[in-house]
Amino acid sequence: KAGVTQTPRYLIKTRGQQVTLSCSPISGHRSVSWYQQTPGQGLQFLFEYFSETQRNKGNFPGRFSGRQFSNSRSEMNVSTLELGDSALYLCASTNSDSYNEQFFGPGTRLTVL
Amino acid sequence: EDQVTQSPEALRLQEGESSSLNCSYTVSGLRGLFWYRQDPGKGPEFLFTLYSAGEEKEKERLKATLTKKESFLHITAPKPEDSATYLCAVRLDGTASKLTFGTGTRLQVTL
Repeated sequence: KAGVTQTPRYLIKTRGQQVTLSCSPISGHRSVSWYQQTPGQGLQFLFEYFSETQRNKGNFPGRFSGRQFSNSRSEMNVSTLELGDSALYLCASTNSDSYNEQFFGPGTRLTVL
Repeated sequence: EDQVTQSPEALRLQEGESSSLNCSYTVSGLRGLFWYRQDPGKGPEFLFTLYSAGEEKEKERLKATLTKKESFLHITAPKPEDSATYLCAVRLDGTASKLTFGTGTRLQVTL
């Protein structure tokens, strides 16, 4: 069974630009969550999508948004990038019937210059 | 406010020297406590989920236990390949799949 895949793995952007990251969950998993990981703040929850609807949202500004498609693939977008947005962005996939296991992808390393 | 605290921040062990990592939590409505292992530059790797006080789970040299206030990850006779950051996280009532993470314990196992 294929794991969670994220593309691209690495990105370098400049301040003010926008970026779109993609996540494909494990087959059959309909819930996709996004997290930001930085050395200072650790892993922080961004949002969760289930059946193409945002079900939960963390404390991030509106520049961070996402969506989910009918095949459960998800994208997150960050507009007007700031230096502080440099981080590892992680996507997690879970079986929403039980939530007993959440599996993370390898992450996208975003560097904002 | 819901809080998850891990200790120690860093731990250095010699190969074969058993120890325990701690994850204490102050939350309302615990629906699961998760343990992950993370290698540098990679995504967290799922290890265990615990649900109720007294529950224990084992995988190779790792054993996780849960009480009403904390969880322990016991590492028995560790090997250098066990070196990683170990993260704990909680899932709470009414939050679907959202996990709240602690800051992790960096474990280094030397020969």
